[in-house]
Amino acid sequence: AQKITQTQPGMFVQEKEAVTLDCTYDTSDPSYGLFWYKQPSSGEMIFLIYQGSYDQQNATEGRYSLNFQKARKSANLVISASQLGDSAMYFCAMRGGWGDYKLSFGAGTTVTVRA
Amino acid sequence: DVKVTQSSRYLVKRTGEKVFLECVQDMDHENMFWYRQDPGLGLRLIYFSYDVKMKEKGDIPEGYSVSREKKERFSLILESASTNQTSMYLCASSLEVLKGETQYFGPGTRLLVL
Repeated sequence: AQKITQTQPGMFVQEKEAVTLDCTYDTSDPSYGLFWYKQPSSGEMIFLIYQGSYDQQNATEGRYSLNFQKARKSANLVISASQLGDSAMYFCAMRGGWGDYKLSFGAGTTVTVRA
Repeated sequence: DVKVTQSSRYLVKRTGEKVFLECVQDMDHENMFWYRQDPGLGLRLIYFSYDVKMKEKGDIPEGYSVSREKKERFSLILESASTNQTSMYLCASSLEVLKGETQYFGPGTRLLVL
């Protein structure tokens, strides 16, 4: 069974600073994918970034980067230069090996950006 | 752009009512999913479908059923709504079972069962 753990229920960050959101996972699949999603107060889930278990480099998408430490089974999201619009809930999710359509989600972390 | 729509943003129903939540996607995706989201629990998969008329149970299927008669539409049915089914319901779709293929989510339906 796959399990995703997000230990930070809520965080505050000052505008223009960087913030790191923690995510650890547990799986017995050698091949898996890790995703981060953003959910603003309006409710829609927005895909941010993806990391494959065999990817050699950490994924980056604009101000988002994923700090992937395979041996530690962690996939932390780093948001650089925080903006007020980054205030939202963030979910880490994992999909298992080939043929596995399902995503397993963590409990989420609420980020509040202060001006 | 992929678009996933859900029939209602907010619903209020009474205990024992039959409830239908509809989801439509416009990108010819094979896979569709229903999740419920509760504070502190993240998203939990109720059912998913990988083809028309095909369905598989997710992690929490009890009290729910689904229907997929057309590729673009996936319905979630609460046969007899109960107060513990008050939640946010999210529908999603995806194209292929490729590693990096994300799921695309609808805006969600907030259901209150009284």
